[in-house]
Amino acid sequence: AQSVTQLGSHVSVSEGALVLLRCNYSSSVPPYLFWYVQYPNQGLQLLLKYTSAATLVKGINGFEAEFKKSETSFHLTKPSAHMSDAAEYFCAVRPLNSGYSTLTFGKGTMLLVSP
Amino acid sequence: EAQVTQNPRYLITVTGKKLTVTCSQNMNHEYMSWYRQDPGLGLRQIYYSMNVEVTDKGDVPEGYKVSRKEKRNFPLILESPSPNQTSLYFCASSTGTVYSPLHFGNGTRLTVT
Repeated sequence: AQSVTQLGSHVSVSEGALVLLRCNYSSSVPPYLFWYVQYPNQGLQLLLKYTSAATLVKGINGFEAEFKKSETSFHLTKPSAHMSDAAEYFCAVRPLNSGYSTLTFGKGTMLLVSP
Repeated sequence: EAQVTQNPRYLITVTGKKLTVTCSQNMNHEYMSWYRQDPGLGLRQIYYSMNVEVTDKGDVPEGYKVSRKEKRNFPLILESPSPNQTSLYFCASSTGTVYSPLHFGNGTRLTVT
């Protein structure tokens, strides 16, 4: 079965510092990949998605993610953290040629931003 | 405004008392799903529906029921809630195409005592 691993349940950065949230998937065939963000007391919303058109994917709020097939990774980055980026981030994968319902979420990484 | 609406936002109940959490979407989406979110476990799918009158089990369906009589509504029913169903629940919808994202409601925090 497809699995997704997010390294680090919590990541702390200072405002203005680089944000790096890690996501690795277990599949020999690159799946569909997504990053979602959850702000306090809200549902998840899509940050970006990998559609195989380009390995570097740009999302909302200055986030981007790079697909690396050799490393089976889809890490999320932002050059300069802002206080408003504090939230929980989820990586999700859907295998190719699978049903739409087979979307697997990682356990999430809480991003903490200090002044 | 395009949205997924869940009600109630907060619910405290006692063991065994039947309850329903409603979910409605106004985007004419084919696909709807229920998730529960627990600390350290991420999101786990309870049930999903590809279309009206078509529902199927997700990863953790035990103790839950759903129905999809209309396209826009997808209620989650707990016939006899137990404390291990205390959780944060999310309804989500989508067009159902492979790249289309899920649109989530704001969640229902359920406490069963």
